[in-house]
Amino acid sequence: DQQVKQNSPSLSVQEGRISILNCDYTNSMFDYFLWYKKYPAEGPTFLISISSIKDKNEDGRFTVFLNKSAKHLSLHIVPSQPGDSAVYFCAASAGANFGNEKLTFGTGTRLTIIP
Amino acid sequence: GAGVSQSPSNKVTEKGKDVELRCDPISGHTALYWYRQSLGQGLEFLIYFQGNSAPDKSGLPSDRFSAERTGGSVSTLTIQRTQQEDSAVYLCASSSLETQYFGPGTRLLVL
Repeated sequence: DQQVKQNSPSLSVQEGRISILNCDYTNSMFDYFLWYKKYPAEGPTFLISISSIKDKNEDGRFTVFLNKSAKHLSLHIVPSQPGDSAVYFCAASAGANFGNEKLTFGTGTRLTIIP
Repeated sequence: GAGVSQSPSNKVTEKGKDVELRCDPISGHTALYWYRQSLGQGLEFLIYFQGNSAPDKSGLPSDRFSAERTGGSVSTLTIQRTQQEDSAVYLCASSSLETQYFGPGTRLLVL
């Protein structure tokens, strides 16, 4: 039972354009959502998070949007850069400690930025 | 500062043998987590230590898996009588506030 789903295993985007990565979840108890980025042979690196009381959070080139009614979130990267090429994981948690709870991860989307 | 470290980075073992994987969290982090990533899958939660509280073992796939955290710092994940389906990358993370920081993982291959 996959509670966090990333339905696109891969995505290719031209350098300078916008990258949009999508994530859907089924568990209505999830109230905190995170995006992690992973390079080969390295552990995932935290990118950005959003609490369920918000619908948008922005940090530089990265913006996460949350649509609670649709149980959908997305990560926008603009402008996309070659260094953004990596696997992106969506994750969710439930509980009072936000990201300090066990995380449920999606299967990842491999983003390739084309120079 | 130093991040989360894990050892060994790679481990090849024979089916039926026991293995121990080590995690050194970021100094001062009270919470420590173990996840694993099987081929083509997302990260799967295994176990979670928070301070002196009893660990959350709800993600351990079988009783062949166990973990301990000594002195609130270093953690060891033990897999007894390894099976081929245990082959995966085992990732450790630690956190103090809202963000989990991951180590590079141990790639385990059971032949």
